[in-house]
Amino acid sequence: KAGVTQTPRYLIKTRGQQVTLSCSPISGHRSVSWYQQTPGQGLQFLFEYFSETQRNKGNFPGRFSGRQFSNSRSEMNVSTLELGDSALYLCASSRRDRGSKGTEAFFGQGTRLTVV
Amino acid sequence: AQSVTQPDIHITVSEGASLELRCNYSYGATPYLFWYVQSPGQGLQLLLKYFSGDTLVQGIKGFEAEFKRSQSSFNLRKPSVHWSDAAEYFCAVGANDMRFGAGTRLTVKP
Repeated sequence: KAGVTQTPRYLIKTRGQQVTLSCSPISGHRSVSWYQQTPGQGLQFLFEYFSETQRNKGNFPGRFSGRQFSNSRSEMNVSTLELGDSALYLCASSRRDRGSKGTEAFFGQGTRLTVV
Repeated sequence: AQSVTQPDIHITVSEGASLELRCNYSYGATPYLFWYVQSPGQGLQLLLKYFSGDTLVQGIKGFEAEFKRSQSSFNLRKPSVHWSDAAEYFCAVGANDMRFGAGTRLTVKP
């Protein structure tokens, strides 16, 4: 069974540009969450999507957005990139349906974004 | 608000010695608790999880953790550490919007 796939693995962008990252969840998983990992702030929750709807959102500016498609694949977009957006962006998928209990998240290997 | 504290930023143990990594959480209800491990440049691998039931949970690679509600703790243990266990370990609380601790970096001495 294939794991969570994130593309691209590495990305270099210039300040002010925008970037789109992609995440393909494990087959059958309907929930996709995104996290940002930096040396200074650690692992921080960005947002979660389930059935093409954003269910939860972390404390990030509106420059960070996402979406989920009908096949559960998800993308996140960062507009007007800043140097501080340089980070490892991790995607996680899980089986959890609304109202169910007992879930676990499986992570992809991440996309390393460098803003110069 | 849910939060996690990992008091130890860096721990060094000798190969073959026992290990305990500390984790304290803050959560209003019965928490979902997790331990993940991350090798350099890699994603997170789930070691074990606690949702309910038996407070001593077994995970992969010989790890176990004990949930103690009275102490709001979920410490990770391993009886005998291997050199390949050197990595960063994260405790997390929540579900699909997990809150992570700052991590504990484990160094294993030969």
